[in-house]
Amino acid sequence: SAVISQKPSRDICQRGTSLTIQCQVDSQVTMMFWYRQQPGQSLTLIATANQGSEATYESGFVIDKFPISRPNLTFSTLTVSNLSPEDSSIYLCSGRDPLYGYTFGSGTRLTVV
Amino acid sequence: SQQGEEDPQALSIQEGENATMNCSYKTSINNLQWYRQNSGRGLVHLILIRSNEREKHSGRLRVTLDTSKKSSSLLITASRAADTASYFCATDDTDKLIFGTGTRLQVFP
Repeated sequence: SAVISQKPSRDICQRGTSLTIQCQVDSQVTMMFWYRQQPGQSLTLIATANQGSEATYESGFVIDKFPISRPNLTFSTLTVSNLSPEDSSIYLCSGRDPLYGYTFGSGTRLTVV
Repeated sequence: SQQGEEDPQALSIQEGENATMNCSYKTSINNLQWYRQNSGRGLVHLILIRSNEREKHSGRLRVTLDTSKKSSSLLITASRAADTASYFCATDDTDKLIFGTGTRLQVFP
């Protein structure tokens, strides 16, 4: 199955700044996704990253706050903009391969101070 | 996105006992998957059960699926301290994977 490299693994950011998270897949996947996991909670889907077009956002998530790019079938970025302490979470990317199903990056632990 | 509900939210047992976790969901699914997460680390895929299957086994894991009740259960038999983790069900409707609320399992030696 595909292997996803996610960077950075953790970061501490100042309020009001932005953080961009990158995910690189070692093979082409049909779909990529971004999730947020708030402390002690489950994973919540932020959006589906569409190759070459705008991401599809879930209810409660907007492009201005979480801009996403997916320039090709193996790479995607999530930016968390205008950071506030409430954005402190783990962010995970996922890829879906028709044969092997879903695979996940190791996550980015964001702390906003 | 609507999450599935899992119960119990937390479960504490002794080594050797069985642990059962339940998952209910709301939409039609292609398959349902169970994942484990150790203390905020990466997700580990445990088992997948398709919508036309009723029961599946993998080692000490047994999963059931009742699509008429939109529910699934995960049974871990003969638990070990190393099974201590959070367990999540996730429903796949072919477009995306939606996670349940999770069960925190603590297995005491």
